[in-house]
Amino acid sequence: EAGVAQSPRYKIIEKRQSVAFWCNPISGHATLYWYQQILGQGPKLLIQFQNNGVVDDSQLPKDRFSAERLKGVDSTLKIQPAKLEDSAVYLCASSHVSSDYEQYFGPGTRLTVT
Amino acid sequence: EDKVVQSPLSLVVHEGDTVTLNCSYEVTNFRSLLWYKQEKKAPTFLFMLTSSGIEKKSGRLSSILDKKELFSILNITATQTGDSAVYLCAVNQGAQKLVFGQGTRLTINP
Repeated sequence: EAGVAQSPRYKIIEKRQSVAFWCNPISGHATLYWYQQILGQGPKLLIQFQNNGVVDDSQLPKDRFSAERLKGVDSTLKIQPAKLEDSAVYLCASSHVSSDYEQYFGPGTRLTVT
Repeated sequence: EDKVVQSPLSLVVHEGDTVTLNCSYEVTNFRSLLWYKQEKKAPTFLFMLTSSGIEKKSGRLSSILDKKELFSILNITATQTGDSAVYLCAVNQGAQKLVFGQGTRLTINP
């Protein structure tokens, strides 16, 4: 079974620029998550989708971050404009709907904002 | 505020040693506790624990949950250099919402 795919793997931008990340979950996984992992910390949930609907976006900084999963499969996460403190690894994960299934993570996108 | 706290934050041991990693939690809702191993890439799933006192085991790794005292431990016996990684503990609060600890960075020296 193919894993969670993410691109790009690395991105360097200047502050106030925009950036977008892409994620393709494991086939058949209805639930998709975006996490932000700052160096030395655990992942923090930004947004959770079930199919194409948002389940939880309470920790998403909505003034600059947006995410969509229009057809219930692929998802994009955008930051506009970026700040220095957005430098982190952005992890995408997917799972089956039931809470009894673990989440599978993609390789992440390492973002550096200069 | 929901929180998951791991200790130690960093641990350096010699190959062959046994290590114990700790995870304590204070959350409003608890469904399960998960352990992940994170090398230079994606966290990979190790264990999911839902019941107190039942040890989960996979090779040299084992884990147990205490829901009364609100903690879990991850044991690794006969450590190898390939065990070097960050070990993450997370609590599933239901609806698949995971709250992660900050991780324990384990380094195994040959």
